[in-house]
Amino acid sequence: GENVEQHPSTLSVQEGDSAVIKCTYSDSASNYFPWYKQELGKRPQLIIDIRSNVGEKKDQRIAVTLNKTAKHFSLHITETQPEDSAVYFCAEGGIQGAQKLVFGQGTRLTINP
Amino acid sequence: KAGVTQTPRYLIKTRGQQVTLSCSPISGHRSVSWYQQTPGQGLQFLFEYFSETQRNKGNFPGRFSGRQFSNSRSEMNVSTLELGDSALYLCASAPGTSTGELFFGEGSRLTVL
Repeated sequence: GENVEQHPSTLSVQEGDSAVIKCTYSDSASNYFPWYKQELGKRPQLIIDIRSNVGEKKDQRIAVTLNKTAKHFSLHITETQPEDSAVYFCAEGGIQGAQKLVFGQGTRLTINP
Repeated sequence: KAGVTQTPRYLIKTRGQQVTLSCSPISGHRSVSWYQQTPGQGLQFLFEYFSETQRNKGNFPGRFSGRQFSNSRSEMNVSTLELGDSALYLCASAPGTSTGELFFGEGSRLTVL
């Protein structure tokens, strides 16, 4: 069945440094890998996603890489800022075009000024 | 465009009772998914409805059910509530024609005493 392992569960970095969060998935049929950010008391919001036909995608300070052979994908945030502090969730999905997402357990990222 | 609206935002029930939660998706979105969010289990998929039909179902007991109306609004029901059902229930809408971004509501926080 589908399962997503996400590491680390907590991450603390100095403002301006980079942060990396890693996820491993189990279902080789998955072809859609989004990342959601959830600030305290707020709804999860998509920050970036990648599909299986692409190895890397970048949007300003955020990038995601995908290794389908190894079944893992990573979120990279550069030049971190205090507003990056939040819980980040990776997910896998896209099997047979379905909307169902299987989420990782989340990473609580804290940016220290 | 109005976002995803969930009602009620907060509710308290006692064991054995039942509860109905409501979700109004973004106008034009035909897919509505429900997720349970708890500190220990993260975000877990309950079910997804598309054009009034359940398209996907997660691994939850039959006490959890849902439906979707012709205007795409959705309800989920939990019968015979247990203490472990205490959670934030998130609804997410999407156009539904292919896998992509989910737009989450702010959630309904259920406390079971």
